[in-house]
Amino acid sequence: GNSVTQMEGPVTLSEEAFLTINCTYTATGYPSLFWYVQYPGEGLQLLLKATKADDKGSNKGFEATYRKETTSFHLEKGSVQVSDSAVYFCALRYSGAGSYQLTFGKGTKLSVIP
Amino acid sequence: NAGVMQNPRHLVRRRGQEARLRCSPMKGHSHVYWYRQLPEEGLKFMVYLQKENIIDESGMPKERFSAEFPKEGPSILRIQQVVRGDSAAYFCASSPPAGVGDTQYFGPGTRLTVL
Repeated sequence: GNSVTQMEGPVTLSEEAFLTINCTYTATGYPSLFWYVQYPGEGLQLLLKATKADDKGSNKGFEATYRKETTSFHLEKGSVQVSDSAVYFCALRYSGAGSYQLTFGKGTKLSVIP
Repeated sequence: NAGVMQNPRHLVRRRGQEARLRCSPMKGHSHVYWYRQLPEEGLKFMVYLQKENIIDESGMPKERFSAEFPKEGPSILRIQQVVRGDSAAYFCASSPPAGVGDTQYFGPGTRLTVL
């Protein structure tokens, strides 16, 4: 079945450090891939997405590239801010019948310290 | 445009009681999805509804759980005779009627604690 594996947290970085959160997936066909972010006390917000191989999603300085050969969708940001502290979820939506279910990783908590 | 609203945000129930979780989708959205997040786990799909119809409930436990999305009013996730293992965060998401596969917008969740 479909599954998403993302790096264990928590991750603690200093402000302006480089961020990478690894995400790999297992899926049939060609899924769409997503990163969601959850700030404390709030719901999940879509951060970025990619729908086909080699697509790059980007938003708010975050980027992730759909790598079919390595089945990965790693999240990166060149310079994190304290306001980026949140839990980040990698997710996929597979391309077959019933393609509305999102399959999520367990989430990675990021803390950015001044 | 208000986002997806869920209430209550926190719910405490004793074993054997009923829990009712409500979800009001974003204005203009007619598709609702429920997900459950157990401690230290990612979100798991439970059920997908459109107005007055359950489209897919493959992720719902077979007993004690039910969901509805009436013509008027919010979507309701109902858990009868709760047990401690039902303690989790329950998230609702909605998407517009343009078709399945559109971006799902999530609510803040309801944290259910069963004593």
